[in-house]
Amino acid sequence: DTEVTQTPKHLVMGMTNKKSLKCEQHMGHRAMYWYKQKAKKPPELMFVYSYEKLSINESVPSRFSPECPNSSLLNLHLHALQPEDSALYLCASSTTGGKNIQYFGAGTRLSVL
Amino acid sequence: GEDVEQSLFLSVREGDSSVINCTYTDSSSTYLYWYKQEPGAGLQLLTYIFSNMDMKQDQRLTVLLNKKDKHLSLRIADTQTGDSAIYFCAEIFTGGGNKLTFGTGTQLKVEL
Repeated sequence: DTEVTQTPKHLVMGMTNKKSLKCEQHMGHRAMYWYKQKAKKPPELMFVYSYEKLSINESVPSRFSPECPNSSLLNLHLHALQPEDSALYLCASSTTGGKNIQYFGAGTRLSVL
Repeated sequence: GEDVEQSLFLSVREGDSSVINCTYTDSSSTYLYWYKQEPGAGLQLLTYIFSNMDMKQDQRLTVLLNKKDKHLSLRIADTQTGDSAIYFCAEIFTGGGNKLTFGTGTQLKVEL
């Protein structure tokens, strides 16, 4: 099973709302990732968690707040977003060594009004 | 530098072979990957190659790696309409902290 599950699939929020994106995997991977992807562009790395600790933050604005409550779950808390934050948000997971193959979820399509 | 470049668009006829090219600049890459993304979907891993290999074949897919020229290619034999998608190459390198660097993406259109 190489499945990474993301919920919700679609999300529409206003600039004053607070919402959360969720990601779950049961492959025993200890590295999990959040990416942001604009249309027809490659994914841009936002955050990396390794063994439930934040290891990479690619200078993401504080209105995005990641959380890794356990080795299977990854959340992205959203607050006071801007319209330019509208994008596809992808979660991925991988082992922490070896081939480092990252398996991606289907993404959450976020629209900020 | 960590730039990974691909041509933006490729159009082929059904049944023909497709070749998608990728050039990268980081010689310390350890693994290189090809991902496929269909409209509205996440990224699907197609195949990968270790940096000390020259070629890898997996059913209709053939990956060629030229380390000297830092050139990676993906050949899809007998291309089908279901192969229409955006294809991303990606690299990871030792000491990069599990950070994937993606190419710019190639949109493959398969025509009947």
